[in-house]
Amino acid sequence: QSVLTQPPSASGTPGQRVTISCFGDSSNIGINTVNWYQQLPGTAPKLLIYTDDRRPSGVPDRFSGSESGTSASLAISGLRSEDEADYYCATWDDNLKNWVFGGGTRLTVL
Amino acid sequence: EVQLVESGGGLVQPGRSLRLSCAASGFTFDDYSLHWVRQAPGKGLEWVSGISWNGGDTGYADSVKGRFTISRDNAKNSLYLQMNSVRTEDTALYYCAKDSGSAWYGGRRYFDYWGQGTLVTVAS
Repeated sequence: QSVLTQPPSASGTPGQRVTISCFGDSSNIGINTVNWYQQLPGTAPKLLIYTDDRRPSGVPDRFSGSESGTSASLAISGLRSEDEADYYCATWDDNLKNWVFGGGTRLTVL
Repeated sequence: EVQLVESGGGLVQPGRSLRLSCAASGFTFDDYSLHWVRQAPGKGLEWVSGISWNGGDTGYADSVKGRFTISRDNAKNSLYLQMNSVRTEDTALYYCAKDSGSAWYGGRRYFDYWGQGTLVTVAS
């Protein structure tokens, strides 16, 4: 059981907008920033969004992040087939004194 | 270009030891903290351990505390994970990840680069 809760799956058709949620509590998301990682099939994770809503250089602006209270969201607009991947949220947990990850959401582009 | 290359994985029997290495290049190694993150087959990501820029401060997940030891050699631009008393549940792909800051803990930071991983299989 992951400390951060994500839906196990999400889907959309090309061009659609999809959102993936990440729920935590007052010891993690409530007081720390959230990062999102994209893991394409058979590859290592890659930083997608950092400190809630910032995009690293090279990440398309179709990807956006937001945070509110003890939850965070990743939105992908103009969905493309190459967006099929597993997406993980992560943050620091002040109580556990650990980095914690969500269980991951597998995105399927129909 | 930042590169992190893990090595040392393989098949190991339960209760035995294994040492993983991560060779880094493309950034000022001793400015940043580093982490090990693992992924069991078909499962999600799990943070394993972190180490500060100078090796003076370390942290571990409860699942490995007392069995695994993280270390670094800044002269060799290398990160290590000594795995003792391994268990079948330690079977996973182990990734080395670079932190955005010098401490391994705390908020407002992130893992900005990852290696390709080294596979550890614990089985008799």
